[in-house]
Amino acid sequence: EVQLVESGGGLVQPGGSLRLSCAASGFTFSGYSMNWVRQAPGKGLEWVSYITGSSSTIYYADSVKGRFTISRDNAKNSLYLQMNNLRAEDTALYYCARSIDGTNRALDIWGQGTMVTVSS
Amino acid sequence: DIVMTQSPDSLAVSLGERATINCKSSQSLLYSSNNKNYLAWYQQKPGQPPKLLIYWASTRASGVPDRFSGSGSGTDFTLTISSLQAEDVAVYYCQRYYSPLYTFGQGTKLEIK
Repeated sequence: EVQLVESGGGLVQPGGSLRLSCAASGFTFSGYSMNWVRQAPGKGLEWVSYITGSSSTIYYADSVKGRFTISRDNAKNSLYLQMNNLRAEDTALYYCARSIDGTNRALDIWGQGTMVTVSS
Repeated sequence: DIVMTQSPDSLAVSLGERATINCKSSQSLLYSSNNKNYLAWYQQKPGQPPKLLIYWASTRASGVPDRFSGSGSGTDFTLTISSLQAEDVAVYYCQRYYSPLYTFGQGTKLEIK
C-alpha cells in the first residue's frame, strides 16, 4: 500500500525550531518529487516546499523562504522539513504529498498530517 | 505575486443538480512546450487530507467518478459536478503546479441545498 506518514509536530515557542519527518512506503521513493503543504486551523491549503527525487531542485513559498529547509534521505525513504525561527502564523497541520512525476507535479498521494502549534 | 482566485467561496446545490466551481489564475497556466495547462483540482472532506480529482485541467485521476469534470485553458478553469451526490459535500481547491510556485486557490465550500 502506498503510504505517507508524517511525524515530529508539537508545541513550540515563537522563534523556536522543529523538524518534521515523512516516512514513505509502498513505492520507489527516490523516483518521486515530494512536497510539504500546510493548513492553518479552519483555513485553506498553502503549498510550502518542493524537492525533486535527487534533491537537485528545491522550491519554497515566499512565506517560509530563509526559515524552512526541505531535504530527503532516499536510503531511509524519508522526507524532512526543518523549520527555524517559527512564528505564530506557522501554526498549521503539515502534510507531505507526492507529485505524480517530474513533469506532472499534481499531488496524488497525501499523508494524514502532523500538527505544529507555535505559541508562548 | 501569482494568485489563484476561486468563485464562489461557497455554494449550495440540490442533490442531482449540477455544481460549478471556477478558478482564475493571474498568469496563464498553458505552456507551449507541451500544450498543457498546469492546473489541478482537489476535494477535501472534514478531517481528511485532500484528494486529487483532476490534473492537466481536465484529466480525471484514477478512481474519480465521471460526474467530475474539468475544463478551461490559459487563465480560466472550471470544475463541474454533473449530478451532485451527498458524498460530494466538501471543500474544493484548485492549484497551479508550474514551477516555481505551486499556489492553491482559497477553496470553495460545497453544501447540499
